[in-house]
Order: sequence, then C-alpha cells, then structure tokens
Amino acid sequence: DQQVKQNSPSLSVQEGRISILNCDYTNSMFDYFLWYKKYPAEGPTFLISISSIKDKNEDGRFTVFLNKSAKHLSLHIVPSQPGDSAVYFCAASENNAGKSTFGDGTTLTVKP
Amino acid sequence: NAGVTQTPKFQVLKTGQSMTLQCAQDMNHNSMYWYRQDPGMGLRLIYYSASEGTTDKGEVPNGYNVSRLNKREFSLRLESAAPSQTSVYFCASSLDRGYTEAFFGQGTRLTVV
Repeated sequence: DQQVKQNSPSLSVQEGRISILNCDYTNSMFDYFLWYKKYPAEGPTFLISISSIKDKNEDGRFTVFLNKSAKHLSLHIVPSQPGDSAVYFCAASENNAGKSTFGDGTTLTVKP
Repeated sequence: NAGVTQTPKFQVLKTGQSMTLQCAQDMNHNSMYWYRQDPGMGLRLIYYSASEGTTDKGEVPNGYNVSRLNKREFSLRLESAAPSQTSVYFCASSLDRGYTEAFFGQGTRLTVV
C-alpha cells in the first residue's frame, strides 16, 4: 500500500500564475515532509520541507502547507516560471529516521 | 564542489552478471542511502546506512547487498543481475538521520538484458 501519494501525474500552468502540487499520506507516524525537484538525467534536489509542528513554511516563491488532520500537504509556487518545469516529488519520514518514503511525482510544465 | 558522486553513469549487464555501483560524498555526512527509480514511479529505498559501520534494509532490498566502506563511501552490489533490476539508481547522503534533507547523486542508469 502506497503511503505517500501524488494523485496528479502532471500539471500545466501559465507563466506568472500559481502552481499547486498536492500530496496525500496515510502513515500518521510521518512527522517530517519534504519536496524535491528533479530535472531529466539529474538527481533530485531539495526544495523545501516542513515538520509536523508547523502548518506552513515559506521560502521565496515556494510555500508548503501541511494539514495533519487531512494527512495532506501542498506546494505552492508563485509566480511560476518556465525554469520551474520539472518533476516534483513529495517525501515523508518518521520518528527521526532520516530515510524518506517518496510519492510517484508530478510533472509540472510552465508555459511561457 | 562535488557533493555526491556515483559511478558508473550508465551500465548494461547480461542476466546473471554481477556488478558494484560506487558512491562517494565529500560533505562529511553521516547517513547514506541507495534508491531506485522505475519509470513513472517515485524513488524506493533499497538500503541505507544511518552512520559509518551500520546498514539497514529499506523497502526493496532483495537481490542487493551494500557496504559502508568508510564515512565517505557506500557501495551497492548486484550479485546476479535480473531484468527486473533494470532501473535508475540514486545514491544520496544526509548530514544525519534526523530532520534534514538528502543530497542526491546524478544517478546510474542500469539495463539488464
């Protein structure tokens, strides 16, 4: 059973608009959540994270929201830029374990 | 600024052959990981090493072995390659096992025929 799910395989938005990527999880023991960005033929790179004691974390154009009761998190990118076009992975870890469980990814395309 | 270095970048093996994927990090990180990524899927953890001298199984360890040679290096060995092991393999490291992000290598694209 997949513990981290990204139900939208792809998302297309216009440059300058908001991109919202969603992630759901089933394991209530997860207490640290991360978003990674991946370009083709490269390894994932860390984007932003949030711990379960917070409900929001911002870093420039990127904001992650966590709704623990719904077991849902989302990544907002405002404004979206063509260089943001990539695969975005949601990941979660539990109990200070370090190792993460990943979702299947959402491919974001930002059109000029 | 090398970060996490994986070798080789590409490899084709015949069924039954063995090989070792090498990984080294220069960030003085304590924890290291091996993931595989299949088409259309996320990364799945094969093995990890929380600290030098320790290794643990991840989600999909069957058919693999690992060695944490020292703090810098973490290798992944396929003893008898199978077509089901065709995948892209990523090595990663993190400062510690706690609430911290991982840094990934560029990946090894492995094809088993």
